[in-house]
Amino acid sequence: QVQLVESGGGVVRRGGSVRLSCAASGFTFSSYGMNWVRQAPGKGLEWVAFISYDGNNRYYAGSVRGQFTISRDNSKDTLYLQMNNLRPDDTAVYYCAKIMWPVVRGVFDYWGQGTLVTVSS
Amino acid sequence: DIQMTQSPPSLSASVGDRVTITCRASQGISNSLGWFQQKPGKAPKSLIYGASSLQSGVPSKFNGRGSGTEFTLTISSLQPEDSATYYCQQYNSFPYSFGQGTKLEIK
Repeated sequence: QVQLVESGGGVVRRGGSVRLSCAASGFTFSSYGMNWVRQAPGKGLEWVAFISYDGNNRYYAGSVRGQFTISRDNSKDTLYLQMNNLRPDDTAVYYCAKIMWPVVRGVFDYWGQGTLVTVSS
Repeated sequence: DIQMTQSPPSLSASVGDRVTITCRASQGISNSLGWFQQKPGKAPKSLIYGASSLQSGVPSKFNGRGSGTEFTLTISSLQPEDSATYYCQQYNSFPYSFGQGTKLEIK
């Protein structure tokens, strides 16, 4: 049974940093690409970043490029999102989402339950 | 970047009805489109991939169609539990992008 459990959210001051984690289980984590998606309060979904199964390819939304870093530790079955220089408009629930098939990009299947990051001004 | 535009933003329907949500891409994305259902306070749930293929466990009342720039999600035999916000998403090219969502209310 696939499980994705995010953690690391909380209240952080403007300009601060936080690292989110997504612990994966129930599948061979090292074979699948992963994504971060966020949702500001009352708003729609916004794709944030993708990392390939081996960590060698990373892509970012323009709104976070240079500010956020996606990474993974396949020995720990864990995905990360390092968020720096945070602004109030980064306030959102952050979800990790798994790619459906090994190695490739594209289709999302499983999502975590999300972790809320609140940036105070 | 590819923009995804959904319509309508919201709709209301009765139990037993059938509804259709439209999603348009600003450029061709072949069939690289997914649909997601999100209920309040919950994570999104994957419904459809490849524009028309059902995710495992998703009932056949959900039907996706389209290719290129225009796509539809049709939900038939509406039940109260179908009340949710529905999103389309393109994964043809980075940056991936979502539509703004369609909120479905069941009267």
